[in-house]
Amino acid sequence: KAGVTQTPRYLIKTRGQQVTLSCSPISGHRSVSWYQQTPGQGLQFLFEYFSETQRNKGNFPGRFSGRQFSNSRSEMNVSTLELGDSALYLCASSSKSPEPSGNTIYFGEGSWLTVV
Amino acid sequence: EDQVTQSPEALRLQEGESSSLNCSYTVSGLRGLFWYRQDPGKGPEFLFTLYSAGEEKEKERLKATLTKKESFLHITAPKPEDSATYLCAVQAYSSNTGKLIFGQGTTLQVKP
Repeated sequence: KAGVTQTPRYLIKTRGQQVTLSCSPISGHRSVSWYQQTPGQGLQFLFEYFSETQRNKGNFPGRFSGRQFSNSRSEMNVSTLELGDSALYLCASSSKSPEPSGNTIYFGEGSWLTVV
Repeated sequence: EDQVTQSPEALRLQEGESSSLNCSYTVSGLRGLFWYRQDPGKGPEFLFTLYSAGEEKEKERLKATLTKKESFLHITAPKPEDSATYLCAVQAYSSNTGKLIFGQGTTLQVKP
């Protein structure tokens, strides 16, 4: 069973540019979340999508956006890149909408973004 | 405010020397507490989900326990390949979504 797939794995962008990252969740998973990981801030929640709808959003500026397609694949976009956006961007997928018993959440290997 | 604190930040053990990692949390209704292992340059690898106080789960040399305020990850007779950063995260009922709140992690180094 394939895991969460993220592309690209590594990329370098220049300040002011924009970037699009892609995530394919585990087959059958309908919930996709995005996280930013930096040495100073750790893992921080960006947003979550379920059935093409954004269900929750973290405390990030509007330059960070995302979407989910009908096949559950998701993309996130960062516009007007800043040096501080350099980070590992992680995608996570889970199989069900939240239930009292919770669920299992799996992460991809991430996309390393360097802004120069 | 929902919050997760892990301690210690770093831990160095000799091979075979058992120890525990701590995860303290405050959350407005715990839906689940997650443990992950992360190797350098890779995404977090799922280890356990705990749902209620008193619950325990085991996997090889790892055992996770949960109380109403904290969780412990016990490592028994660790090997060098257990070296990694261990992350704890909570999922709250209040968010009504899959959002996880992470601690800063404990970096474990096991020396042969």
